[in-house]
Amino acid sequence: DVKVTQSSRYLVKRTGEKVFLECVQDMDHENMFWYRQDPGLGLRLIYFSYDVKMKEKGDIPEGYSVSREKKERFSLILESASTNQTSMYLCASSPSGLAGTDTQYFGPGTRLTVL
Amino acid sequence: AQSVAQPEDQVNVAEGNPLTVKCTYSVSGNPYLFWYVQYPNRGLQFLLKYITGDNLVKGSYGFEAEFNKSQTSFHLKKPSALVSDSALYFCAVREHSGGYQKVTFGTGTKLQVIP
Repeated sequence: DVKVTQSSRYLVKRTGEKVFLECVQDMDHENMFWYRQDPGLGLRLIYFSYDVKMKEKGDIPEGYSVSREKKERFSLILESASTNQTSMYLCASSPSGLAGTDTQYFGPGTRLTVL
Repeated sequence: AQSVAQPEDQVNVAEGNPLTVKCTYSVSGNPYLFWYVQYPNRGLQFLLKYITGDNLVKGSYGFEAEFNKSQTSFHLKKPSALVSDSALYFCAVREHSGGYQKVTFGTGTKLQVIP
């Protein structure tokens, strides 16, 4: 089975802190994604990556950056956390070069609270 | 731009009754369509997808969905609901096109199956 793991299930940070969310997948997938999930808004794509060191902005990239130095790992960085970044963060991966037709496999999520 | 709508925030159904969770989409060309499910305190799981071919798609846990191009719909159905089907359901769409295109998720529908 595909396994996508995220470094923390729950995280509490203070405004202005730099926050790292880590995601690791064990199926050699080319594509990886970061979403945030908010009630009433569904899933919104923050960033995605289709190869090592490659990244593309999603719908809501402002206030976030990403890093993909190894194929299995995709990190989401909040440079200076703000209260409006309190949310559930979901990482996903999918195989193949064209991600649109392929199933995405999701991690369990990290619930981030910024105080 | 592609979009997907889930018109019902919540659907209630009695155990044993058929269930339908509605989804409509908008794309410029032909769509790829997906359903995912999120059980409480767990990550999203893939249920089924329509890429091409037969309009009726069968997926996990006895769920199926019918692609209707004229109505631009992809409703999720199950003949007999179980209490364990209670979860949050997300529809997603991606347009057929060359190159990478992101998948757009709906806002989710909470399914409550009443014993």
